[in-house]
Amino acid sequence: EVQLVESGGGVVRPGGSLRLSCAASGFTFDDYGMSWVRQAPGKGLEWVSGINWNGGSTGYADSVKGRFTISRDNAKNSLYLQMNSLRAEDTALYYCARDYTTMVRGVDFWGQGTLVIVSS
Amino acid sequence: DIQMTQSPPSLSASVGDRVTITCRASQSINTYLNWYQQKPGKAPKLLIYVASSLQRGVPSRFSGSGSGTDFTLTISSLQPEDFATYYCQQSYSTPITFGQGTRLDIK
Repeated sequence: EVQLVESGGGVVRPGGSLRLSCAASGFTFDDYGMSWVRQAPGKGLEWVSGINWNGGSTGYADSVKGRFTISRDNAKNSLYLQMNSLRAEDTALYYCARDYTTMVRGVDFWGQGTLVIVSS
Repeated sequence: DIQMTQSPPSLSASVGDRVTITCRASQSINTYLNWYQQKPGKAPKLLIYVASSLQRGVPSRFSGSGSGTDFTLTISSLQPEDFATYYCQQSYSTPITFGQGTRLDIK
């Protein structure tokens, strides 16, 4: 059974940092690209960042470029998102998402999400 | 960045109706277009990928079409479990972008 379990969310002050993690199981992790997608309360979906199967290619939304860094450890079947200089508008549920290819093309499996709240 | 515009933003329909949702890209995206369904409190679910391919396990009443800039998602005969919000997403280039969503309600 495919499982994606996010962790690392919480409440942080503006300007602070958080590191999200996603533990993957039930599939061959390094066969797939991975992404982080977020959803602010009551709002739509926003792609945050993606990484291809071997970490050699990454991409970011304009809203997080220069502040967030995506990475993966295929030996540990894990995906990460380092979030720095957090802003109130980064408040959202962050989903770990598996791509249906080795690249970043679309999500065929989602975790349940971890909530990030940026507030003073 | 490529902008994705869905229409209508919301839609009321009845069980058994045929429903079409459209998605327009601000530039050509070939067929790099996916459709998702999201129910309240749940993670999204992939319905259609590369514009017209039905994801495994998705009922055949869902179909997608289009290429270039204009795309459609059609539900041939609405079922009670289909009332949800639908999103299109382009994966032609990064940053990947979603449409704003179409909320499908029971009439």
